[in-house]
Amino acid sequence: AQTVTQSQPEMSVQEAETVTLSCTYDTSESDYYLFWYKQPPSRQMILVIRQEAYKQQNATENRFSVNFQKAAKSFSLKISDSQLGDAAMYFCAYRPYNNNDMRFGAGTRLTVKP
Amino acid sequence: DVKVTQSSRYLVKRTGEKVFLECVQDMDHENMFWYRQDPGLGLRLIYFSYDVKMKEKGDIPEGYSVSREKKERFSLILESASTNQTSMYLCASSPGLWASGANVLTFGAGSRLTVL
Repeated sequence: AQTVTQSQPEMSVQEAETVTLSCTYDTSESDYYLFWYKQPPSRQMILVIRQEAYKQQNATENRFSVNFQKAAKSFSLKISDSQLGDAAMYFCAYRPYNNNDMRFGAGTRLTVKP
Repeated sequence: DVKVTQSSRYLVKRTGEKVFLECVQDMDHENMFWYRQDPGLGLRLIYFSYDVKMKEKGDIPEGYSVSREKKERFSLILESASTNQTSMYLCASSPGLWASGANVLTFGAGSRLTVL
């Protein structure tokens, strides 16, 4: 079974600074998707960014970018110019290409200090 | 925008009660999911459904059942609630496996269940 590991239960960052959240995963598949989801205190989970494993280029969405290292099975999220609204739980997730079995990590709670 | 609505944000039930958690999505998605969220454990899949009346067990189906009689509605049922089922329950939906955007889940706001 595929597993997703987030080794940082909590992280904090100063407003306007950059922070990187770590994620590793275990799979024998060659084609799959990786995601970062954000869950603000209101609890609505939303997609932050996604990466297709066959793409070598790292995905970027405004201030959010990933460092995808397929051989190392690593998928970290970098948040630049952190804002107070970035404070949330962040979940890394993995899904194989050909089924709906989405796997989530335990989450990282990000605090943004003003 | 896809909307996934969970009928109850907060519920308090007693041990042994039957509990229904309802979820409705309005974008004609084929797939619907029920996850349980606990601190330090992330999200764990209870059941998912890829079509009306179809269901598959996830990682932790014990003590739960589901019903999908209509495409837009996916219900989670706790036949006899127990205290260890106190948790946050998240419903999600996604398009069919090979559809555009198939790999993104859209979540509801969650239902916080407390079993006394």
